Amino acid sequence: EPEVTQTPSHQVTQMGQEVILRCVPISNHLYFYWYRQILGQKVEFLVSFYNNEISEKSEIFDDQFSVERPDGSNFTLKIRSTKLEDSAMYFCASRADRGDNTEAFFGQGTRLTVV
Amino acid sequence: ILNVEQSPQSLHVQEGDSTNFTCSFPSSNFYALHWYRWETAKSPEALFVMTLNGDEKKKGRISATLNTKEGYSYLYIKGSQPEDSATYLCAFNNAGNMLTFGGGTRLMVKP
Repeated sequence: EPEVTQTPSHQVTQMGQEVILRCVPISNHLYFYWYRQILGQKVEFLVSFYNNEISEKSEIFDDQFSVERPDGSNFTLKIRSTKLEDSAMYFCASRADRGDNTEAFFGQGTRLTVV
Repeated sequence: ILNVEQSPQSLHVQEGDSTNFTCSFPSSNFYALHWYRWETAKSPEALFVMTLNGDEKKKGRISATLNTKEGYSYLYIKGSQPEDSATYLCAFNNAGNMLTFGGGTRLMVKP
């Protein structure tokens, strides 16, 4: 069964460093997302991406964050200068279309620890 | 800010017990309600996407109902098995493109 894959599974970085989280969405999907879950809190939406541009973003997704689909298969989330509060599990998701009935498929997550 | 709440937060049941939990969500601008099953260290797995008021969906021993007018959905598990142990997440989809998640119900089924 097709799946969304994320790498790495765990990333430890020093505060102030840049990190890039990588995702390979399902190949024929058109809509891509990043979500995160800070330990003990709800899963939160960060950004959605369609047709090579951001279609929606939350307040969390400030200038420190950026997304890119550099080569038609990978979908990356970059955090320019990490803060301690960026420590969370980051999930990538993809959907075939925006239809009401369309499932979002999630990757297994990247646990980011900022020290 | 959309408020999506799940109850209970956690639940311990005995193997063979049937159980249910609740997701409540805003009743306005409703597009869809998603249920996910999430086991530790794995991807959240889509169970159901529900769109119509009164919808009832079933997958094996798991079923879900939807009431969009009052803003709630129930997930039922019949005859719980240890392998049902997981966190069950609901997510509300309004007119936007994003999912707003509840806090999850953590189910533990004891053999």
